[in-house]
Amino acid sequence: RKEVEQDPGPFNVPEGATVAFNCTYSNSASQSFFWYRQDCRKEPKLLMSVYSSGNEDGRFTAQLNRASQYISLLIRDSKLSDSATYLCVVNRPNQGGKLIFGQGTELSVKP
Amino acid sequence: ETGVTQTPRHLVMGMTNKKSLKCEQHLGHNAMYWYKQSAKKPLELMFVYSLEERVENNSVPSRFSPECPNSSHLFLHLHTLQPEDSALYLCASSSRGGPDTGELFFGEGSRLTVL
Repeated sequence: RKEVEQDPGPFNVPEGATVAFNCTYSNSASQSFFWYRQDCRKEPKLLMSVYSSGNEDGRFTAQLNRASQYISLLIRDSKLSDSATYLCVVNRPNQGGKLIFGQGTELSVKP
Repeated sequence: ETGVTQTPRHLVMGMTNKKSLKCEQHLGHNAMYWYKQSAKKPLELMFVYSLEERVENNSVPSRFSPECPNSSHLFLHLHTLQPEDSALYLCASSSRGGPDTGELFFGEGSRLTVL
């Protein structure tokens, strides 16, 4: 089983749609969770951290389910500029806390 | 403008060449990282330096040799590479290493092609 697993997509959605990405992780001891965004041929950038109680930043909502070892990202009212690859990132606490990246989920928002 | 700069942005080298990738961070961070990103694969952590000490060497072949002369600079020395080493090499920094790494700030990457 991969440490961090994501549906690679691509997800093709119209502007204004709501889209949800899922991510599962295998290490139950993981404590830190993030979503990064990577635009085509650019570097990854932090989109948002994921907190136990769930958190929201504008149109973006992140949820964590520790029992199921599952993280989600919900994007409401999709914009063309949301087109990118979304990377689920989890820490590996018993090996120096290094961050493990998922393969990424590609999103394409169409007019 | 990114706080982490990488040079060169593009590099083409033969299998017998020796070259180096350079990374510089202007963020006052204590930890620096090299990641490899190949097409359709997750980012792979290669090396971690925390306070200029190597704290992670992720079973990377010896043809890749990192160097961290100070907390702001990180190098990746390359020699006798293979075509399968062609990839995007990303440098990153964070304010702290260890179990609570925090946010990673990435450079724009060095795209390497090995002929």
